[in-house]
Amino acid sequence: DTAVSQTPKYLVTQMGNDKSIKCEQNLGHDTMYWYKQDSKKFLKIMFSYNNKELIINETVPNRFSPKSPDKAHLNLHINSLELGDSAVYFCASSGGLAGMGNYEQYFGPGTRLTVT
Amino acid sequence: EDKVVQSPLSLVVHEGDTVTLNCSYEVTNFRSLLWYKQEKKAPTFLFMLTSSGIEKKSGRLSSILDKKELSSILNITATQTGDSAIYLCAVDPTSGTYKYIFGTGTRLKVLA
Repeated sequence: DTAVSQTPKYLVTQMGNDKSIKCEQNLGHDTMYWYKQDSKKFLKIMFSYNNKELIINETVPNRFSPKSPDKAHLNLHINSLELGDSAVYFCASSGGLAGMGNYEQYFGPGTRLTVT
Repeated sequence: EDKVVQSPLSLVVHEGDTVTLNCSYEVTNFRSLLWYKQEKKAPTFLFMLTSSGIEKKSGRLSSILDKKELSSILNITATQTGDSAIYLCAVDPTSGTYKYIFGTGTRLKVLA
């Protein structure tokens, strides 16, 4: 059973389109995250949710909007896609918030987004 | 500003060699340090370290934390081509930001 899953794995789209990426975890975790990994492989946090509540909202364009319908799901919607949005987006989950306990973080397989 | 620095940035070795990867951190407070291995896809969890001097081991991989030196090392003995990956280090800084701080990773290539 996949612990953290994302769909789709690949997404190729044109500038200006709107797209969504879905994430689900079956680990019973309370906290979920979205990361962006650029071409240099640096992982940058975008958002985190704890028990469906938004906790982290980094300096991300407001074209990006996360939604957590329940603790097991965290989706990412992107409006008006730009070339610079091309990257790999990882969903992750952990038992709790960083700093509140010793929690391991588990990552989904990633969604490679290419904007043309 | 909280910071995690990994060295070297990249490393090429031959099968059978032993490698040591470094992770140094400067954070407000420290709670834990995590190591991940990233091959072609998602980072996979290797170790979590919270206490100085206690080695964590899994097969040919081991890691230890030195809180005095604000650093951790990841050792891989008898390397194999399957060890080729990017190794990421992340720190929980317990700064009230609720996020892990990631290093830029060490890219390891093991040649047959």
